[in-house]
Amino acid sequence: DSGVTQTPKHLITATGQRVTLRCSPRSGDLSVYWYQQSLDQGLQFLIQYYNGEERAKGNILERFSAQQFPDLHSELNLSSLELGDSALYFCASGVGSDTQYFGPGTRLTVL
Amino acid sequence: GENVEQHPSTLSVQEGDSAVIKCTYSDSASNYFPWYKQELGKRPQLIIDIRSNVGEKKDQRIAVTLNKTAKHFSLHITETQPEDSAVYFCAASKGAAGNKLTFGGGTRVLVKP
Repeated sequence: DSGVTQTPKHLITATGQRVTLRCSPRSGDLSVYWYQQSLDQGLQFLIQYYNGEERAKGNILERFSAQQFPDLHSELNLSSLELGDSALYFCASGVGSDTQYFGPGTRLTVL
Repeated sequence: GENVEQHPSTLSVQEGDSAVIKCTYSDSASNYFPWYKQELGKRPQLIIDIRSNVGEKKDQRIAVTLNKTAKHFSLHITETQPEDSAVYFCAASKGAAGNKLTFGGGTRVLVKP
């Protein structure tokens, strides 16, 4: 157990819908990172927050957005969902240096 | 941006033999290189990491080597066991200067009893 929690574990929804994925970092970690893992794209960095502020952005689609709240939990919002958005979404947390610990992931299936 | 290539994509070894996975990176500013093990449907689990001021690091049956000049790093697993079967990912980041992880494509390791 890494100490990072994610909810829900599984999410099944339809194209065009919007979903919210939630992540709680390890106690004391200020950074939250979101990654997408699909079969054809591997593990891809989406976005990083540090102590409530956006720190870095990867190839995150405009339909996707995220935020980090004062209690340091983070939410990833995915809208206008397409079949290709089906993937495992992981968050990771770190204290601010380089080491990142991954949560159990949310498996999103878009039908 | 950073690009990390990982080889081989699959690796089958006999129990007790050694396994070696190699990665190359493109950005000379990268200075942190973790390795993750991922079992089917589970989270990537950090198994070992190395920073650019170190050439080699060991943890029991696992070792990682780094060649900064050639921009490559390798994972060595000795005395492999069936529970080592998983997908292994290498990654690179610039540490505090921008610490998103760029991952290699993964190596599926199968240890045959």
